[in-house]
Amino acid sequence: NAGVTQTPKFQVLKTGQSMTLQCAQDMNHNSMYWYRQDPGMGLRLIYYSASEGTTDKGEVPNGYNVSRLNKREFSLRLESAAPSQTSVYFCASSEAAGLTDTQYFGPGTRLTVL
Amino acid sequence: EDQVTQSPEALRLQEGESSSLNCSYTVSGLRGLFWYRQDPGKGPEFLFTLYSAGEEKEKERLKATLTKKESFLHITAPKPEDSATYLCAVQAQGGSEKLVFGKGMKLTVNP
Repeated sequence: NAGVTQTPKFQVLKTGQSMTLQCAQDMNHNSMYWYRQDPGMGLRLIYYSASEGTTDKGEVPNGYNVSRLNKREFSLRLESAAPSQTSVYFCASSEAAGLTDTQYFGPGTRLTVL
Repeated sequence: EDQVTQSPEALRLQEGESSSLNCSYTVSGLRGLFWYRQDPGKGPEFLFTLYSAGEEKEKERLKATLTKKESFLHITAPKPEDSATYLCAVQAQGGSEKLVFGKGMKLTVNP
């Protein structure tokens, strides 16, 4: 049981390049999330998917797109990367079946945009 | 707007020196308050969920408590391996599973 996995672990892009961050979970969770973490800012929600086939914007969605490919996988795409998108990106998942819901996080992708 | 404030931002303790971390929150209706631990270069690791004022939960040297305005993470006789960043987050009532995080508190325990 690997939990939440993310690829790649590290990535360096040039301004204007595109890339997709991959996330998968093997806990049969319904909801999945993408966050970014910047120094002094805390974790901020980019997009989330409450269930397969649905996605919604979070606090900082500009410059990103997401795809909930199936129940296991949730990808984050940067169409035209900008230096402001240099950050650590975390994917999380939760069962979303109870009164409150614990989110479990992946190891993160460290992205640098030059 | 839901908000979470953690204090202090950083704390240095000697091994065995007990202390508390504070998480103040403003939320329209609290569904749950979460504590996570994050080691350098790793993702947040879940510690506790608290649901209502007066609730307490313990795990090894950590004890989390909750009031209507804040939560405390008490660390008793800490060890160097307790060094990490501790994150607090709230989930509001209303059907969404979204979490609002504080900026975190970096704890260093010196041997």
